[in-house]
Amino acid sequence: ILNVEQSPQSLHVQEGDSTNFTCSFPSSNFYALHWYRWETAKSPEALFVMTLNGDEKKKGRISATLNTKEGYSYLYIKGSQPEDSATYLCAFDKAAGNKLTFGGGTRVLVKP
Amino acid sequence: NAGVTQTPKFQVLKTGQSMTLQCAQDMNHNSMYWYRQDPGMGLRLIYYSASEGTTDKGEVPNGYNVSRLNKREFSLRLESAAPSQTSVYFCASRKQETQYFGPGTRLLVL
Repeated sequence: ILNVEQSPQSLHVQEGDSTNFTCSFPSSNFYALHWYRWETAKSPEALFVMTLNGDEKKKGRISATLNTKEGYSYLYIKGSQPEDSATYLCAFDKAAGNKLTFGGGTRVLVKP
Repeated sequence: NAGVTQTPKFQVLKTGQSMTLQCAQDMNHNSMYWYRQDPGMGLRLIYYSASEGTTDKGEVPNGYNVSRLNKREFSLRLESAAPSQTSVYFCASRKQETQYFGPGTRLLVL
């Protein structure tokens, strides 16, 4: 069983503040690292797919970095807004695997 | 284009009853997946199907069976439901690197 860990499990952020959290994954047999955004009572939606060491992706105020050699990825939210409140999932995509292993998620609550 | 659809949305079963969760996608994707989501545990893969006619076990397959009826449909069956199978079940399909999720089925086993 692959070990994909996310920390922290949850965090409270004041509106306007920036925050970041971590996903750690195996550094061998890497194919891609996925980030999903999951709002309560909805389905997970893809944010980023990252494949190259040193990759940086950005979507509005949300960005992510990737370090495949040490096996971690950071997700950053700049100037958090209440609509950013969600659970953020990362998923490890193993080479030639055709399936994802998800972390437990980081639940973000942005307080007005 | 409905994407990934799941039925039912909610179901209550008694221990020992059987039921089938239905999933369909209209995006012509080859790969389809069934996950369960439990508090604090993220999404765990139950079974997946890389293409029509093939199925493989995921991380937590015990107590479940699947059928890839055709390219569109991938069903999950509980032959004898147990309280430990109380969960939210998500179906997904995949195109290239991205998985697209259905709305989920909330299952309660008493």
